[in-house]
Amino acid sequence: SQQGEEDPQALSIQEGENATMNCSYKTSINNLQWYRQNSGRGLVHLILIRSNEREKHSGRLRVTLDTSKKSSSLLITASRAADTASYFCATGGQGGSEKLVFGKGTKLTVNP
Amino acid sequence: EAQVTQNPRYLITVTGKKLTVTCSQNMNHEYMSWYRQDPGLGLRQIYYSMNVEVTDKGDVPEGYKVSRKEKRNFPLILESPSPNQTSLYFCASRESGGKGGYTFGSGTRLTVV
Repeated sequence: SQQGEEDPQALSIQEGENATMNCSYKTSINNLQWYRQNSGRGLVHLILIRSNEREKHSGRLRVTLDTSKKSSSLLITASRAADTASYFCATGGQGGSEKLVFGKGTKLTVNP
Repeated sequence: EAQVTQNPRYLITVTGKKLTVTCSQNMNHEYMSWYRQDPGLGLRQIYYSMNVEVTDKGDVPEGYKVSRKEKRNFPLILESPSPNQTSLYFCASRESGGKGGYTFGSGTRLTVV
């Protein structure tokens, strides 16, 4: 079952610009996580935001969560070529379980 | 170095020949999970485990088995692989009650012919 849906599917920007990716989901959640994946490699965890949190920051990353709209956004500020990757949101923790559902991802290209 | 180690990285096998993909983590994490990644379908959870001897199905468990006899290991077993199990597989772990997400292994690319 598909829970998180990222938007847009692909995003191409210039170095130095900000990149915003959105994630929508369908059911109530305990937490929402964002991951990055470089082509064909393992995923790297970026940020976990709990359902009772509205915003979190980590370096150049800012994540917001709006549980009333069932949506989250990931903002990467001052992007770099090294940020080129696919970004996934994942929703989980319902009922205390570790069942985690990933979206299909946003492919971000940062042009030098 | 804290990591999740999967083996093998690449595997080509024939239909019906039982195989095991191993996964080991050195972080003393309680939670472990297996995912498969397919073009157009994204990552889908196969099985997860919340502690030793505690496992549960994810979204696509059919054709797979897992076991969690020790905290560090969480092998994925394909008793009778079929071509539709050709995929990129990831194992991941995280600590319980933590504020962090999963640490992923480097992946196992499996081809079933």
